[in-house]
Amino acid sequence: GAGVSQSPSNKVTEKGKDVELRCDPISGHTALYWYRQSLGQGLEFLIYFQGNSAPDKSGLPSDRFSAERTGGSVSTLTIQRTQQEDSAVYLCASSLVRSNQPQHFGDGTRLSIL
Amino acid sequence: AQTVTQSQPEMSVQEAETVTLSCTYDTSENNYYLFWYKQPPSRQMILVIRQEAYKQQNATENRFSVNFQKAAKSFSLKISDSQLGDTAMYFCAFMKYGNAGNMLTFGGGTRLMVKP
Repeated sequence: GAGVSQSPSNKVTEKGKDVELRCDPISGHTALYWYRQSLGQGLEFLIYFQGNSAPDKSGLPSDRFSAERTGGSVSTLTIQRTQQEDSAVYLCASSLVRSNQPQHFGDGTRLSIL
Repeated sequence: AQTVTQSQPEMSVQEAETVTLSCTYDTSENNYYLFWYKQPPSRQMILVIRQEAYKQQNATENRFSVNFQKAAKSFSLKISDSQLGDTAMYFCAFMKYGNAGNMLTFGGGTRLMVKP
């Protein structure tokens, strides 16, 4: 079946604008994760959704970042009043919610703030 | 909190030879999972191999194998018979044990170049 789908693939915007990044997980995967990868660095956890439970927002770097997941499927990560340090690749992953199940990643959205 | 360290920012290997990538981690958990992911220029993270901490036997997947030393908190990846397509960033990752899923904690990555 289809893998994790993210859109847009690339986004260029001006400092101060709001952006929305979309993630469509693998069908049947109830766990969904957002990570951020700054240039040349490893991945940093942002937020985790699992079914109808309250999301784990412990990785969000500031209150400018928020995410929602509608109907337990598609998720949107929103960054308000973007700053240049927000420039990064934003990766989404999904998994089955059973022990040791691996996370499957999308191709990411490369966000560039001018 | 968990931390994952990859001490080799870049490595290179000749095609057909063997290379080992290092990874150490720090945790107070007793049950957990460890992963190696590969990230080619396409950006997609591809699972290479995984290890459950409660298993003593080292995981293997074709040309990829790990040396898991739980007491030393070490989890190295060995790539045998290196191929040009193995050129990529490699990330070591840690996940706490749990039935509800958990976030991954990643190391900083090792850039591997396979030379013809």
